[in-house]
Amino acid sequence: DTGVSQNPRHKITKRGQNVTFRCDPISEHNRLYWYRQTLGQGPEFLTYFQNEAQLEKSRLLSDRFSAERPKGSFSTLEIQRTEQGDSAMYLCASSRGTSGYTGELFFGEGSRLTVL
Amino acid sequence: AQTVTQSQPEMSVQEAETVTLSCTYDTSESDYYLFWYKQPPSRQMILVIRQEAYKQQNATENRFSVNFQKAAKSFSLKISDSQLGDAAMYFCAYRSARLSNFGNEKLTFGTGTRLTIIP
Repeated sequence: DTGVSQNPRHKITKRGQNVTFRCDPISEHNRLYWYRQTLGQGPEFLTYFQNEAQLEKSRLLSDRFSAERPKGSFSTLEIQRTEQGDSAMYLCASSRGTSGYTGELFFGEGSRLTVL
Repeated sequence: AQTVTQSQPEMSVQEAETVTLSCTYDTSESDYYLFWYKQPPSRQMILVIRQEAYKQQNATENRFSVNFQKAAKSFSLKISDSQLGDAAMYFCAYRSARLSNFGNEKLTFGTGTRLTIIP
């Protein structure tokens, strides 16, 4: 296992189009997180899953955003009717949720979205 | 809600010298984790060092060490013998240690410090 994998790495789309990003976490990790990072800023929390259950959603996650994690494995983040303000790097991270959990997140390389 | 503040947007250090990056945080909790993450250009974010709030001893990882001042809510990162490969964005992050299935699981990040290494 080589770590958290995200696809596509870069997506360019026109305003109003829908986009979907995929994240494959480290296989034994039951927690999966989505963050958004704009240029020069720190990652901002969007949502996270424990197995297939979505346990928390940020207020940043508008109605146009939806995330799923069917079967508690990979996750998808869909943005509908994209706006230029959605342009950002979307980061996925995973972690263990068992005893001995140290709080560390393991990040993927991110999916960069550019909305024209 | 917890907040994390990094007041130094950019720092630079001569190769082989020592540099300290600052971080302060605000929380009403007594048990939590603090992290420093490194994000090299166009590369994924990786953990540099972690500190558990209940531990008084400052964490160290090779050339990286922290100065954790719980009462002052301060968590600075010291990089000794700076190397060219240390050039990156550094993010300070906070996570509650309170176990819950309904939140408190996320990391809250600061805005980052861009570290430049001068050869």
